[in-house]
Amino acid sequence: DGGITQSPKYLFRKEGQNVTLSCEQNLNHDAMYWYRQDPGQGLRLIYYSQIVNDFQKGDIAEGYSVSREKKESFPLTVTSAQKNPTAFYLCASSHGTGDNEQFFGPGTRLTVL
Amino acid sequence: GESVGLHLPTLSVQEGDNSIINCAYSNSASDYFIWYKQESGKGPQFIIDIRSNMDKRQGQRVTVLLNKTVKHLSLQIAATQPGDSAVYFCAENMEYSGAGSYQLTFGKGTKLSVIP
Repeated sequence: DGGITQSPKYLFRKEGQNVTLSCEQNLNHDAMYWYRQDPGQGLRLIYYSQIVNDFQKGDIAEGYSVSREKKESFPLTVTSAQKNPTAFYLCASSHGTGDNEQFFGPGTRLTVL
Repeated sequence: GESVGLHLPTLSVQEGDNSIINCAYSNSASDYFIWYKQESGKGPQFIIDIRSNMDKRQGQRVTVLLNKTVKHLSLQIAATQPGDSAVYFCAENMEYSGAGSYQLTFGKGTKLSVIP
């Protein structure tokens, strides 16, 4: 059953702690993305990766970090430098960038207490 | 920079009626567009896409219309059902940061509410 998974679905952390969100895909997609969504808002691009061992900053990369050591995995770390980390985080993947459909995971809702 | 936008933030329709959700874009170079549906607490789901060499594309109960002259995209849902209640996003393929890399840029979304 091919798809893209994110875990956990809900995550609670204390202020000042780093937290890592998982994203895995078995669609054999080269490109992967992380978006942040705030209530009533659209998707804002945090980071994207077009190929293994390479990634680029999106519009709101400050306070976040990523790695792409494997094609299937693109974990996102929300660091203590991110001033307002509480949000819904969405991971996506696609065959290539641009004119290719992005497939989304179910999302992780992060709440920082 | 140029952006994707939506004419209406909310739309309420009676069950069985047709729904039309609109989207304006300003980048005349965009050549690919997608409509996504997002239910509460879930990730967006692909509905339909269209390339700039087409002006209409039909799926199951959905039709996307592209008017390049006025840079306008619309999603039509026929015989709207309660299960269609969701937020609908349009996205356009744009060159990102002038780096030769193309990314999808998403609008803020329109919330569709279906009245039983």
